[in-house]
Amino acid sequence: GENVEQHPSTLSVQEGDSAVIKCTYSDSASNYFPWYKQELGKRPQLIIDIRSNVGEKKDQRIAVTLNKTAKHFSLHITETQPEDSAVYFCAASIRGGGADGLTFGKGTHLIIQP
Amino acid sequence: EAGVAQSPRYKIIEKRQSVAFWCNPISGHATLYWYQQILGQGPKLLIQFQNNGVVDDSQLPKDRFSAERLKGVDSTLKIQPAKLEDSAVYLCASSLAPLAGTYNEQFFGPGTRLTVL
Repeated sequence: GENVEQHPSTLSVQEGDSAVIKCTYSDSASNYFPWYKQELGKRPQLIIDIRSNVGEKKDQRIAVTLNKTAKHFSLHITETQPEDSAVYFCAASIRGGGADGLTFGKGTHLIIQP
Repeated sequence: EAGVAQSPRYKIIEKRQSVAFWCNPISGHATLYWYQQILGQGPKLLIQFQNNGVVDDSQLPKDRFSAERLKGVDSTLKIQPAKLEDSAVYLCASSLAPLAGTYNEQFFGPGTRLTVL
């Protein structure tokens, strides 16, 4: 089955700086790669996703890149703000929500230092 | 739009006892998932339903875990008997039914935090 590795496990950055979280996956058949943000005690919430036919996607301060050849994808957050502090999870799926469940990485605890 | 509802929010039981969790998905969502999230880890898929049929239960410990979605709407997840290692947050998620070429978002409920003593 699919295996998703996520690094780093903890990332501390100064407010206003950029943060990058990286994930690799094992199943070349995976085609859908969402990123979820989970605040302490809250439910995971989708922040951005990318399909395999796209190399990059941006949404304001958040961007995701995908390299299918290397089987890795990354989350980029620019101009970090205190409200970005949370645990971020990457995930992979062959056919996406509704058809397949998601395989998640272990998460990255992002800390924004004031 | 109402989100995914789960109850109870917290449960504390002794090992070897039984426990059940309930989930009500977003209206119109044909697909329902149960995930187990152990502290410090990402959610792990336990079972996926499409309407009232099981699509994937390959990671469900069937000797002690069971789940049902009898009328294709609400679902219950049961653990009997519970072990210490079952302590986790149990998340329910739902999404629209799959259509060719679409990738539907999974919406998560608030979870049930289970502590097994």
